[in-house]
Amino acid sequence: EAGVTQSPTHLIKTRGQQATLRCSPISGHTSVYWYQQALGLGLQFLLWYDEGEERNRGNFPPRFSGRQFPNYSSELNVNALELEDSALYLCASSSRTGNAEAFFGQGTRLTVV
Amino acid sequence: GDSVTQMEGPVTLSEEAFLTINCTYTATGYPSLFWYVQYPGEGLQLLLKATKADDKGSNKGFEATYRKETTSFHLEKGSVQVSDSAVYFCALSHSGYSTLTFGKGTMLLVSP
Repeated sequence: EAGVTQSPTHLIKTRGQQATLRCSPISGHTSVYWYQQALGLGLQFLLWYDEGEERNRGNFPPRFSGRQFPNYSSELNVNALELEDSALYLCASSSRTGNAEAFFGQGTRLTVV
Repeated sequence: GDSVTQMEGPVTLSEEAFLTINCTYTATGYPSLFWYVQYPGEGLQLLLKATKADDKGSNKGFEATYRKETTSFHLEKGSVQVSDSAVYFCALSHSGYSTLTFGKGTMLLVSP
């Protein structure tokens, strides 16, 4: 069974540009979570989608946004990129909201120059 | 708000040594507690969990006990192997597995 897949693996953008990160959950999982792993800051919760709806949001500015598609895959969009947005972005999926183990992908390394 | 504090690394041990990685938390109520492991180049994997006070989570020789009185969830293993070298994250959640709050991670390096 395929795990959580994220694309691209690496992404280099210029300050001010927009970045789009993609996540495909494990088949049958309806919840998708996004986390940011920045150097020195650990893992911070960004967004949680379930059944196509945004369920919760972490303490991040509105330029971090996303959506979940009918097939439960998800996109994370970061607008007006800043240097401090450089981080590993991890996606996780689970089968039932709040009651099942979250499985993580290998992440997208975003570098803003 | 919720927070998780874990010891800074790297923790460097010889094979077969005893491992302890300390984790303490600040949270309201009774959160669920987790240890995740991140091997080089891979995503996070759930190592073990505990959902209520005095619960002991265990997996692959690792153990951690949910101590409400000391708000701690220390990770232990009696005899580490080189293959245990990884970054270990302590985390909590108020609603099962959603919206995890993580510590900053502790790197473990085990030498032969």
